[in-house]
Amino acid sequence: GQQVMQIPQYQHVQEGEDFTTYCNSSTTLSNIQWYKQRPGGHPVFLIQLVKSGEVKKQKRLTFQFGEAKKNSSLHITATQTTDVGTYFCAGDSGYALNFGKGTSLLVTP
Amino acid sequence: DAGVIQSPRHEVTEMGQEVTLRCKPISGHDYLFWYRQTMMRGLELLIYFNNNVPIDDSGMPEDRFSAKMPNASFSTLKIQPSEPRDSAVYFCASSLDRGAYEQYFGPGTRLTVT
Repeated sequence: GQQVMQIPQYQHVQEGEDFTTYCNSSTTLSNIQWYKQRPGGHPVFLIQLVKSGEVKKQKRLTFQFGEAKKNSSLHITATQTTDVGTYFCAGDSGYALNFGKGTSLLVTP
Repeated sequence: DAGVIQSPRHEVTEMGQEVTLRCKPISGHDYLFWYRQTMMRGLELLIYFNNNVPIDDSGMPEDRFSAKMPNASFSTLKIQPSEPRDSAVYFCASSLDRGAYEQYFGPGTRLTVT
């Protein structure tokens, strides 16, 4: 079945540094969604990408969908302590939404 | 809207006991999902419903797990008998549609089986 792999598993940065997490699917995706889960919280939807090569921005967050619609990335510019949490990608194969295992981001002031 | 509501928020039980987790989805959402989250396995989809009908239960670990959705505003996930390896956070989520729409997660139920 479809698998969504996410790397790295953990990332520890100093406040102000950039951060990137990558998501790769074994099959072509209909769309990809990104979620953020704060420590002790629940996943919260951030954004959805649908088109091949699509790029979307939310303030300091930049999301990209690969040309082949099999990979995606989330880049955070100049991290802040409020960015702490686990970022999940979720790939829609047309049958089910499969979540990656997430990248846990720790930001040190 | 109050969002997805789950109860209880925390549950501690002894091995062998029956556990029932409850979920109220967002009104108007046709899809309801049950997930389990652990450090080792991440976020796993257990089962999902469309218009109260179970569509895919292939993620349910074994026969000890069962889920029902008797009406559009209520769903339960039952574990009987519970085992220590069932300890996890169980999330319920709902959405307008299955794939192209965002899922709204409830706060989760943290289950500890001793």
